[in-house]
Amino acid sequence: AQSVTQPDIHITVSEGASLELRCNYSYGATPYLFWYVQSPGQGLQLLLKYFSGDTLVQGIKGFEAEFKRSQSSFNLRKPSVHWSDAAEYFCAVGVMDSNYQLIWGAGTKLIIKP
Amino acid sequence: IAGITQAPTSQILAAGRRMTLRCTQDMRHNAMYWYRQDLGLGLRLIHYSNTAGTTGKGEVPDGYSVSRANTDDFPLTLASAVPSQTSVYFCASSDSTSGSEQFFGPGTRLTVL
Repeated sequence: AQSVTQPDIHITVSEGASLELRCNYSYGATPYLFWYVQSPGQGLQLLLKYFSGDTLVQGIKGFEAEFKRSQSSFNLRKPSVHWSDAAEYFCAVGVMDSNYQLIWGAGTKLIIKP
Repeated sequence: IAGITQAPTSQILAAGRRMTLRCTQDMRHNAMYWYRQDLGLGLRLIHYSNTAGTTGKGEVPDGYSVSRANTDDFPLTLASAVPSQTSVYFCASSDSTSGSEQFFGPGTRLTVL
């Protein structure tokens, strides 16, 4: 069955430090991969997506993600986090079953230390 | 352009009452979705609609119903609310082609007492 795992429920980093959020997926075919961000009390906003081609994808707000097929991973990175990056981050994989849908990870809450 | 609107923003409801959560999109997307978000569980799909006039069940459909009379609107109804339906509900829409991203509304926070 298709699934998405985000192993870290919470991550705490200092402002200005680098960030990596992990995402692993299980899907038999070539995946469509997404990262979304949810600020407190808000809906979800797309950060970036991977369909094909270059495995390093650039997104909004200075985020990037790398697709590694051999590891079934799509980790999100940012070189230097800002206090405004404190939010919850969700990884999702687009799958085609009886219909096209997104399978979601449980999310990782990012806490920024001043 | 508003994107996706949801109403109400929040609601406190007595158990056993009927409640309809409203969702409207202005992007002419074919597909629409209802999710519930609970702490530690991420997003779980309740119902979806690939096009006006059709609906389908998601991962957690019990106790919920939907309709899709036109492209823009996708209401979610709780026929007889129970406390376990306390959650934050998000409506989303997308182009129905493979690989499409979903666009989300701001959510409805529902508390069932």
